Amino acid sequence: AQSVTQLDSQVPVFEEAPVELRCNYSSSVSVYLFWYVQYPNQGLQLLLKYLSGSTLVKGINGFEAEFNKSQTSFHLRKPSVHISDTAEYFCAVTRVHGSSNTGKLIFGQGTTLQVKP
Amino acid sequence: KAGVTQTPRYLIKTRGQQVTLSCSPISGHRSVSWYQQTPGQGLQFLFEYFSETQRNKGNFPGRFSGRQFSNSRSEMNVSTLELGDSALYLCASSSGLAGGTDTQYFGPGTRLTVL
Repeated sequence: AQSVTQLDSQVPVFEEAPVELRCNYSSSVSVYLFWYVQYPNQGLQLLLKYLSGSTLVKGINGFEAEFNKSQTSFHLRKPSVHISDTAEYFCAVTRVHGSSNTGKLIFGQGTTLQVKP
Repeated sequence: KAGVTQTPRYLIKTRGQQVTLSCSPISGHRSVSWYQQTPGQGLQFLFEYFSETQRNKGNFPGRFSGRQFSNSRSEMNVSTLELGDSALYLCASSSGLAGGTDTQYFGPGTRLTVL
């Protein structure tokens, strides 16, 4: 089975400061990794995903994440945040193998990013 | 392309009733997944349908069921509602063909309140 742990439930940060949202996963098999963002009263939007290849993945809105297999981590970073980045962020995994696991994302509990002026 | 749409956006029901939620995927997508989001349990996978067949199922009781139509639209049904079923129900669509690599696109959700 897979599990995802987001190490911080809330991260307050001032506008234009850098931020890191931490995500660790546990799995006995290879996984694909995702970061989603959820704005109030909206569904989830994909920020970025790691499938294979370069461990540094760039996404939308200036976000990037680094896959570290040895530490089973996939931390999300942004060098300078804006007020509009205030939202809830979810890390998720899905198994690599076969179509039987398509469509099933395992999510972490979420991290609320609060950007202050 | 139009995004994933879910109807209704809000629902209020009483315990013991049943409810049906609808999801229309992005045109061309054949996979629809359903998730339950609550403050306590977070986002939990309910089930996934692909070409009218349930391909994946989470750990929810049999009161939760779903189906998919030939046009890929999907419905989920919850029977004998309990207070704990109050949640945001999200559906997501994808091509369903890429073995987990394709992106799931989420709808805005249906907020179900059980009184």
